[in-house]
Amino acid sequence: NAGVTQTPKFQVLKTGQSMTLQCAQDMNHEYMSWYRQDPGMGLRLIHYSVGAGITDQGEVPNGYNVSRSTTEDFPLRLLSAAPSQTSVYFCASSYFTGQAFFGQGTRLTVV
Amino acid sequence: AQSVTQPDIHITVSEGASLELRCNYSYGATPYLFWYVQSPGQGLQLLLKYFSGDTLVQGIKGFEAEFKRSQSSFNLRKPSVHWSDAAEYFCAVALNQAGTALIFGKGTTLSVSS
Repeated sequence: NAGVTQTPKFQVLKTGQSMTLQCAQDMNHEYMSWYRQDPGMGLRLIHYSVGAGITDQGEVPNGYNVSRSTTEDFPLRLLSAAPSQTSVYFCASSYFTGQAFFGQGTRLTVV
Repeated sequence: AQSVTQPDIHITVSEGASLELRCNYSYGATPYLFWYVQSPGQGLQLLLKYFSGDTLVQGIKGFEAEFKRSQSSFNLRKPSVHWSDAAEYFCAVALNQAGTALIFGKGTTLSVSS
């Protein structure tokens, strides 16, 4: 049972480039979400989904897009990377239990 | 808007001493509250959660937390800290009962001295 898998683990982008951070879960969870973690800021909610085809914005959605075409996958797209998007990104999933399962994170550097 | 405040950025506790980490929340309805722990270089692990009912909740690793609606607080406690408890602790309030769509506090780093 892999849980929540994020790829890649590390990525360096140039300013203006686009990319997709992948998140997949094999627990058949309806709920998924994306966070970014910056020093001294805790984790901040970017986007979340309550099921396939349904997404909503979190605290810091600007510059990011998401879609949820399947229950298993919830990719996060950076449209035009900026240095301010340098961060560690975490994906999480949950069933209706109140416990979120987090991936191991993607460390993104934008230069 | 929902928010969570953790007033203490860094706390140092002697091994074997008791611990209390503070958390205050702002939420219009009945909150779903959580404490997560993150060890260095690791992902996040759920310690405990509060949805309703008994205001004193027990979690893993000997942690407990008490929900006080009148004070908008959800403080985390442990009677005797172990060196392995050194980590960063996050309080969070959920936008949904599933526990994802979490609004986190900025975290409290716990150091344990011998």
